[in-house]
Amino acid sequence: KNEVEQSPQNLTAQEGEFITINCSYSVGISALHWLQQHPGGGIVSLFMLSSGKKKHGRLIATINIQEKHSSLHITASHPRDSAVYICAVRYRGSQGNLIFGKGTKLSVKP
Amino acid sequence: SAVISQKPSRDICQRGTSLTIQCQVDSQVTMMFWYRQQPGQSLTLIATANQGSEATYESGFVIDKFPISRPNLTFSTLTVSNMSPEDSSIYLCSARQGSTGELFFGEGSRLTVL
Repeated sequence: KNEVEQSPQNLTAQEGEFITINCSYSVGISALHWLQQHPGGGIVSLFMLSSGKKKHGRLIATINIQEKHSSLHITASHPRDSAVYICAVRYRGSQGNLIFGKGTKLSVKP
Repeated sequence: SAVISQKPSRDICQRGTSLTIQCQVDSQVTMMFWYRQQPGQSLTLIATANQGSEATYESGFVIDKFPISRPNLTFSTLTVSNMSPEDSSIYLCSARQGSTGELFFGEGSRLTVL
């Protein structure tokens, strides 16, 4: 069964801390997405990765294809970063459907 | 990039009724999807909305319960039929640009069935 595992499930940090959220998957993928879901339910796509590393502002996403692992880093965290972060993968040979991780709930305290 | 407008953003419905959720994209996209997110859970794909033809449903979801329309490349609707309290969820519309693989999501429709 193709699964996506995220850790940690919940994360509480102090403002300014460096945060890492991890995602592991089981077979070859064509793309991995990091998504951010706000308390109201809306989802924003943060990154799409197939190799290497991407950076946008204080967010950095990396992927190691050999180890089937990706990380999302937040530098200088801020309370407005509080959200659920979801990893989703599109497996090679699939119809293009995404498999979602269960999400990491991040709370950044001032 | 694309912006997705989804409505209603939330609704409270009575058991046995039906509700139609609309999804409008501000540009043409290759693929549109409908997801359900039950409380405390991650997203589950209901179906892929195909332009001009019947939607492709995932295991556990059927057309009679979740009829979907996609009359053109920028608009789709999902109807939740004969609702029960178990249908209380967030329903999300998503689109993917075929050329880039980039993903876009609506703000979600939070449905409560009494």
